[in-house]
Parts: sequence; structure tokens; C-alpha cells
Amino acid sequence: SAVISQKPSRDICQRGTSLTIQCQVDSQVTMMFWYRQQPGQSLTLIATANQGSEATYESGFVIDKFPISRPNLTFSTLTVSNMSPEDSSIYLCSAQGDTYFSNTEAFFGQGTRLTVV
Amino acid sequence: QKEVEQNSGPLSVPEGAIASLNCTYSDRVSQSFFWYRQYSGKSPELIMSIYSNGDKEDGRFTAQLNKASQYVSLLIRDSQPSDSATYLCAPRNRDDKIIFGKGTRLHILP
Repeated sequence: SAVISQKPSRDICQRGTSLTIQCQVDSQVTMMFWYRQQPGQSLTLIATANQGSEATYESGFVIDKFPISRPNLTFSTLTVSNMSPEDSSIYLCSAQGDTYFSNTEAFFGQGTRLTVV
Repeated sequence: QKEVEQNSGPLSVPEGAIASLNCTYSDRVSQSFFWYRQYSGKSPELIMSIYSNGDKEDGRFTAQLNKASQYVSLLIRDSQPSDSATYLCAPRNRDDKIIFGKGTRLHILP
């Protein structure tokens, strides 16, 4: 299975600022996704990070608020822009489709716990 | 209709008994189904995947899939206190995205 490293693991940010979260996978993967998990809630898909092209966003999420990059098959970033307290959440990177092992399972990074004050 | 439905619980099961977790999904095209376990403050951990109708066993865990009924379940035999967690049902939908249910909180009573 792929090993996913996410950083930072946690941060406390001032409202109005932006935070970029990095996700590094130890092997090439076909698909990478970003999820949000608000307190006491399940995981909500934010977007699919597409390698070499613009991310595909789910309903309710927009590029201006959550710009995403994926320059290659092992790395992606999510930026939370112009933060407000409502953005306080855990953000999770997910990788699927290990190109070497040809599996379809999804694995998660350890998450980034964001608190906006 | 929600894409993935689970009973939120909490489901309380005595230690040593069988815990049964259920899930229904709406996308008939879904072919891959996953169960994740999530401890409080941790990220989800994949514990079972199932792709074909029927049962799939892995240690104390058995996943069951019925595509005609759009139903998937997870059985945990000989439940241990360490099994206390939230269990997330997650089918892969027609767009290759894994969509999560709200999860069932399982509490194993010592």
C-alpha cells in the first residue's frame, strides 16, 4: 500500500490568511483526492487533484477558495484561502490506484488539523 | 436520497460478541466497496475491501456484499475493546470517487 505523508499535521491560523497543505506519496498513484472532515462529521470530498491540469471540484467547493496543484504522480497541494473560523477542520489527502501494484484501494495521509482564530 | 447511508449509532456490543454494521448505497454502478475504521483524532484506516457479491473474510472481519439490494455489511467476530471506533462505509461511485457514509460509532463493552 502507498504511504502518504501530509504536512503540516496541524496549524493555528489567523482569519484572512492562507495555508498550503502538502501531500507526498511514496509511489506513483493514478488518483489523488482532498477531503474535509468537520468536527463530528464524516469525510466530504473537496476535489480530485488532476496531474498536469486543473482540479475537479465537488459541489460547494470552488477553486478560488481551495486552489489545488498536482505537478506529478506523487505530490499534491491544497491551499485554504482567506480563511475564516468555518474552515476549521481536518483536511485529508487520499491516494488511489497505485500504478505499480494496480490496486484500487484508497489510502489516507494522517490529516492536517486546521484551527482558524 | 443520500449516496451512502449508515446507522450513526452508537452501537454497543459486549466484548466477545459479533458486531454487525450495515450500509446501503444509491449508485447502482458502484463496483468497489470499502470499510474504513477511524479512531478519534486519527485518519481513516482501510480494513476491508469487497468487489463481488457474497462474503469476504479476513481474520475477525467479514464483509458482505449484495449488489442487487445495494447493501454492504461488515461483521466483526470476537469483538475486542480495541474495535471501538467509527466505521465508515465507502463505495466507489461511477466517477471513480470514493464517497463516505456518516459512519457508525461502535462501542465494545468490556
